[in-house]
Amino acid sequence: KNEVEQSPQNLTAQEGEFITINCSYSVGISALHWLQQHPGGGIVSLFMLSSGKKKHGRLIATINIQEKHSSLHITASHPRDSAVYICAVSRAQKLVFGQGTRLTINP
Amino acid sequence: DAGVIQSPRHEVTEMGQEVTLRCKPISGHNSLFWYRQTMMRGLELLIYFNNNVPIDDSGMPEDRFSAKMPNASFSTLKIQPSEPRDSAVYFCASSLSQGNTIYFGEGSWLTVV
Repeated sequence: KNEVEQSPQNLTAQEGEFITINCSYSVGISALHWLQQHPGGGIVSLFMLSSGKKKHGRLIATINIQEKHSSLHITASHPRDSAVYICAVSRAQKLVFGQGTRLTINP
Repeated sequence: DAGVIQSPRHEVTEMGQEVTLRCKPISGHNSLFWYRQTMMRGLELLIYFNNNVPIDDSGMPEDRFSAKMPNASFSTLKIQPSEPRDSAVYFCASSLSQGNTIYFGEGSWLTVV
């Protein structure tokens, strides 16, 4: 079993829908990161959080340390949100990555 | 700031050739990471440096891979000799210190034929 599990692996939705991507981890961590990767592109850090909730524009990330679970939400989704979203946890100065969630938003 | 700068962006080379990938971290960052991304294995940490010193190279696949950081503004990842299974995207990333936001370069897309 991977230390970091994401669900779903693939998600297709219509423009405007509310999107939720989940991440569960099985080890102690110092922080959790949400990353975004567009096709053929680089990786951008969206959030780093160790407790509670963070919001940036239409993106919201939450973490529950007791349950070892985090969610990334996208409100009013847009085709430009189509990308792979990767959850990663910080352990002993290293990042351990989930397998990614491929999100496609259709117009 | 220009962000993390990697070169080359794309490289196609023949099996057996030496490959050198280069990275310039964000100025002032003291942690530098080399990652490899493949379809089969996703993102994997190869090695990371803190204050120019290699801290953990347990992710380096084998002796054909080596990495150096001669100063705070430059690092190289070298593969010699290269093999087709080394084909991947190699990302360099940097951060201010442990536990801070990590910034990735655009990646170096390596194809070994």
